[in-house]
Amino acid sequence: QLQLQESGPGLVKPSETLSLTCTVSGASVSSSSYYWGWIRQPPGRGLEWIGVVYYSGRTYYNPSLNSRVTIFVDTSKNQFSLKLSSVTAADTAVYYCARLILTGPRTTIDSWGQGALVTVSS
Amino acid sequence: QSVLTQPPSVSAAPGQKVTISCSGSSSNIGNNYVSWYQQLPGTAPKLLIYDNNNRPSGIPDRISGSKSGTSATLGITGLQTGDEADYYCGTWDNSLSAGVFGGGTKLTVL
Repeated sequence: QLQLQESGPGLVKPSETLSLTCTVSGASVSSSSYYWGWIRQPPGRGLEWIGVVYYSGRTYYNPSLNSRVTIFVDTSKNQFSLKLSSVTAADTAVYYCARLILTGPRTTIDSWGQGALVTVSS
Repeated sequence: QSVLTQPPSVSAAPGQKVTISCSGSSSNIGNNYVSWYQQLPGTAPKLLIYDNNNRPSGIPDRISGSKSGTSATLGITGLQTGDEADYYCGTWDNSLSAGVFGGGTKLTVL
């Protein structure tokens, strides 16, 4: 049974870098069938795509965050991670890690982590 | 402002049917499959519909999806109070080379 679990600091200071890790169990991040990604949801608002990574290291990022975001995979630990630099209060959100199918015209998020609240405040 | 447009809210009585629309463009819905997600209060989203009109295992057939041109629709029949949730459409945007979501629709079962 696939499980995704986010971990990382729940409080980050403005201008610093937000770092989260997603630990995957029940599946391998080295699978050629899936991408692994991050989606966030500010309090009381909708979902926002952050980006995804393939086991090869290939990435796709939201253009609005592209200059600040890095997503990478660690196959030895079966984990993938998110780094978001120069954060502001607008980056306060619940951050979800997820497994995605990206094949041709298909973009499906078939499994989600429970989410981790990250607050940006001094 | 979301790339995909959904109504902020819809409502209907128990047992009735409701539809939720999702409007986009040729760079997203027009040339890609649409997925739908249900987010119950305080929980992570869950996949309801993929590839426009397919249900994952465990999703009842009173849930349906369709797509026409640059718009998609989620339908729920036989409404139950347990269906009260936020619903999001999602797809890929070829111009952005990224995934996109609708702003979400809050379903109230009166």
